[in-house]
Amino acid sequence: SYVLTQPPSVSVAPGKTARITCGGDNIGSKSVHWYQQRPGQAPVVVIYYDGDRPSGIPERFSGSTSGNTATLTISRVEAGDEADYYCQVWDSSSDHRVFGGGTKLTVL
Amino acid sequence: QVQLVQSGAEVKKPGSSVKVSCKASGGTFSNYAVSWVRQAPGQGLEWMGGIIPMFGKANYAQKFQGRVTITADESTSTAYMELSSLRSEDTALYYCAKEGTRALSVWLDPWGQGTLVTVSS
Repeated sequence: SYVLTQPPSVSVAPGKTARITCGGDNIGSKSVHWYQQRPGQAPVVVIYYDGDRPSGIPERFSGSTSGNTATLTISRVEAGDEADYYCQVWDSSSDHRVFGGGTKLTVL
Repeated sequence: QVQLVQSGAEVKKPGSSVKVSCKASGGTFSNYAVSWVRQAPGQGLEWMGGIIPMFGKANYAQKFQGRVTITADESTSTAYMELSSLRSEDTALYYCAKEGTRALSVWLDPWGQGTLVTVSS
């Protein structure tokens, strides 16, 4: 089955840029989606189809994919961005939805 | 705008079953798939399976095959997830989510509020 690998944690100072990676075999050939989950809340999609943002998601959030790594980039990080972030793809061979293990973003 | 509202928290004995509901409002229920995702305490997201109400056929993750049953009732715009042979490790928050699709990809948006299932003797 397809596996997605994320770093357990990323720390960044306010106003700086956070980059959260998601590794997978030839992930560049798939569309990657990113979710934000604040403590005690349900996940919310912040990037879908590699780089599209739902309405209400700031332009500070962007996504990119290349080779075996997808990256969620959060520019000008704010305290409110502190949350767990998950990447997700659709595995066409099994028709399963696959999540990465999640990354806890800490704003210093 | 689709909204998903899930049933309330459950406490179950080991070996029993639980059935969680997910009622949709807005949109056309039959036209989109619904996935179920669980999250054990302090852990990540785990996809369990999904269903397209129009077709009625569910697709399950290997880990839950044989123990989970996902169904949908178009007349009430409600999806259900039933998990049997419960054990303590099944204690988790269970979410339903509407699937969005575009050219060979699937994402989940929006999500229900989650249903806490506690398995304890």
